[in-house]
Amino acid sequence: EADIYQTPRYLVIGTGKKITLECSQTMGHDKMYWYQQDPGMELHLIHYSYGVNSTEKGDLSSESTVSRIRTEHFPLTLESARPSHTSQYLCASSEENEKLFFGSGTQLSVL
Amino acid sequence: LAKTTQPISMDSYEGQEVNITCSHNNIATNDYITWYQQFPSQGPRFIIQGYKTKVTNEVASLFIPADRKSSTLSLPRVSLSDTAVYYCLVGPGPGGSTLGRLYFGRGTQLTVWP
Repeated sequence: EADIYQTPRYLVIGTGKKITLECSQTMGHDKMYWYQQDPGMELHLIHYSYGVNSTEKGDLSSESTVSRIRTEHFPLTLESARPSHTSQYLCASSEENEKLFFGSGTQLSVL
Repeated sequence: LAKTTQPISMDSYEGQEVNITCSHNNIATNDYITWYQQFPSQGPRFIIQGYKTKVTNEVASLFIPADRKSSTLSLPRVSLSDTAVYYCLVGPGPGGSTLGRLYFGRGTQLTVWP
């Protein structure tokens, strides 16, 4: 099994709060990704990184930001959460293209 | 990147073989085909990847015709635990560069009945 971890698993938070979703992997993968997925819908890439100090925005516009200070860590931050941010956030990493290893996800609910 | 077309849903019974077909008419010469499985409230899990002809592992088989414009994921003797969403992706394989943009469509919801 892949060693990629996301915390928290579930998060319920009020509007306007700042939150950080954690993602860590122990496989030494250079490439890491954040996807957003609503129930029954496709995954949308919101951020990705090719390595330390490398981050890019994905296809879906997102108000979140990411950082990659260490290879194993790729946190996602929302400065001011809104109800429209309610979704599942999935972190992934890869060594080779298209063999992505996903975490279990964070289900975020903003009230 | 080539997008894919899959059936929205499929039903099967335990013990049957299930074949899920994916269309990718715009596949590029160096593109690979990869399938993922996703259970509710979890991230997708890699199942199988191939370039041409047939690939088999302990979980599934992947059949790719000569023109590579489609592919078929075959799950032998499914069980209730195979109920999940299955995604077909097309893009550069090992060593290639997608710039991170791997397209997951809505996938195929497979439901296995007792």
